[in-house]
Amino acid sequence: RKEVEQDPGPFNVPEGATVAFNCTYSNSASQSFFWYRQDCRKEPKLLMSVYSSGNEDGRFTAQLNRASQYISLLIRDSKLSDSATYLCVVNIAFGNEKLTFGTGTRLTIIP
Amino acid sequence: GAVVSQHPSRVICKSGTSVKIECRSLDFQATTMFWYRQFPKQSLMLMATSNEGSKATYEQGVEKDKFLINHASLTLSTLTVTSAHPEDSSFYICSAGGTSGSDTQYFGPGTRLTVL
Repeated sequence: RKEVEQDPGPFNVPEGATVAFNCTYSNSASQSFFWYRQDCRKEPKLLMSVYSSGNEDGRFTAQLNRASQYISLLIRDSKLSDSATYLCVVNIAFGNEKLTFGTGTRLTIIP
Repeated sequence: GAVVSQHPSRVICKSGTSVKIECRSLDFQATTMFWYRQFPKQSLMLMATSNEGSKATYEQGVEKDKFLINHASLTLSTLTVTSAHPEDSSFYICSAGGTSGSDTQYFGPGTRLTVL
């Protein structure tokens, strides 16, 4: 079983729609969780951290379910500029900077 | 946020040659940097952890004699792909944490290596 699993997509979504991604992780000792965004042929960029209480940043909402070991990302009112690959990232221990990446979910927003 | 640079951004080389990639933290010191490799349509895979002033820690399956890592200062780590072959063609990305012990990583822009 992969340490971090994501549906690779692609998700083709009309502009203005709401889209949600899920990600599961296998290590119950995982401590930190993130969503990164990666544009084609570019480096990953941090989109947001994911906290147990859930957190929101503008149109983006992230949720963490430790019992079921999954995290989610919700994008509301999607924009063309949201087209990218979204990477689910997990860190096993606080202070341990090693990150484990999912394969990413490809999102295309259609005008 | 913190800035990490990589050089070169793209390199094309002949099979059998060695290629050096530099990773620099521009506005902070990094005792630890990470080197990743990403093949097309695949996830980033951690290759090794670069530790300033000591030996790098390699992930399972990564040949330390082929991928030489040097972290001689708090702002510079280098990855040398020795005797490169076409199967080494990939996107190599480094990252560094902005704060010691922090799990927020800042990524360099990546180096696209093509071995002919």
